Amino acid sequence: SAVISQKPSRDICQRGTSLTIQCQVDSQVTMMFWYRQQPGQSLTLIATANQGSEATYESGFVIDKFPISRPNLTFSTLTVSNMSPEDSSIYLCSVEDRGTKYEQYFGPGTRLTVT
Amino acid sequence: DAKTTQPTSMDCAEGRAANLPCNHSTISGNEYVYWYRQIHSQGPQYIIHGLKNNETNEMASLIITEDRKSSTLILPHATLRDTAVYYCIVTGTSYDKVIFGPGTSLSVIP
Repeated sequence: SAVISQKPSRDICQRGTSLTIQCQVDSQVTMMFWYRQQPGQSLTLIATANQGSEATYESGFVIDKFPISRPNLTFSTLTVSNMSPEDSSIYLCSVEDRGTKYEQYFGPGTRLTVT
Repeated sequence: DAKTTQPTSMDCAEGRAANLPCNHSTISGNEYVYWYRQIHSQGPQYIIHGLKNNETNEMASLIITEDRKSSTLILPHATLRDTAVYYCIVTGTSYDKVIFGPGTSLSVIP
């Protein structure tokens, strides 16, 4: 199983600023995924990040607002740009296990509050 | 959009079996049924998955109907620590997107 860590675990930011969230995995993985979970809601997929290529964004999410980097097989970052209070959410990264189950492992999440 | 429908919430007495239903009437032949759960303030956790046969592991059992249009996750002896939101997800394997629906909020009651 993959162990995932995220930094920061939480942050309070002012509107108009940007925050970069880091996701570190303890093993090499091909695909990483970024999700957003707004208060009281389910998870929404933001984008899929494949090492060596540009991230693929879901409908409603754009690269200018959520730029993603994937410099190697164990690390990715998600930046939330020009933040507004509506961006207050938990942001989670996940990876897919390449064993027999193809299940996803999730990080603990980053709780972002925008004031 | 999610390809599954689940009840919004359920209660279960501690020590009893919790049976969580899921409808996935549009599932295609190469898609699996996965179950995850999310305990408050944590990332989702994989529970079990199956294609067409019933499956059992140390956490739960998964019963899939013969036509594969619905399934049931069974927690055989629910404990208070099983209180969580349970997500039923239909997806292919290997890099297929995992799309979460609203899930079922299970409350295990003492």
